[in-house]
Amino acid sequence: GENVEQHPSTLSVQEGDSAVIKCTYSDSASNYFPWYKQELGKRPQLIIDIRSNVGEKKDQRIAVTLNKTAKHFSLHITETQPEDSAVYFCASRRLGQNFVFGPGTRLSVLP
Amino acid sequence: ETGVTQSPTHLIKTRGQQVTLRCSSQSGHNTVSWYQQALGQGPQFIFQYYREEENGRGNFPPRFSGLQFPNYSSELNVNALELDDSALYLCASSYTGLITGETQYFGPGTRLLVL
Repeated sequence: GENVEQHPSTLSVQEGDSAVIKCTYSDSASNYFPWYKQELGKRPQLIIDIRSNVGEKKDQRIAVTLNKTAKHFSLHITETQPEDSAVYFCASRRLGQNFVFGPGTRLSVLP
Repeated sequence: ETGVTQSPTHLIKTRGQQVTLRCSSQSGHNTVSWYQQALGQGPQFIFQYYREEENGRGNFPPRFSGLQFPNYSSELNVNALELDDSALYLCASSYTGLITGETQYFGPGTRLLVL
């Protein structure tokens, strides 16, 4: 079955710097890749997603890139702010199958 | 915030007991998936319900069972609770149709503690 790895497990950046989180997946047929942000005690919240027919997608300070050949996708956050501090989860899915989540990255944005 | 709701928010049970968790899907959605999230880990897929039938199951024993109702709400039942069942249980709703919407939206979760 699908396996999703996520790195790094923890990431600390200074406010205003950029943060990058990378996920690799094993199933070459996976075609949908969402990213979720989970603040302490709250539900995972979808922040951006990408489908396999697209290489990059951007939404204000957040972007996701996908490399299908290498089977990895990355979350990029620019101009980080303290409210970006949270745990971020990537996930992948093949159509008709269940989502498989990565183990999460704890991002801390230091003021 | 999504329109997905879950109840109860917190629950304390003892080993061997049974528990029922409830989820109401977002308006327009017809599919509910259940996940177990242990502390410090990513959500683990339990099963999914579509058209009132189980439509995929993760690596969880049969004592984890579920239901989906005609209004697309869902229940997760866990029998013979074990200490390791202590976790945050999340449901996520989505739309399955001719043009499948793959996006899942999570509810706030039920935190279960088994003593």
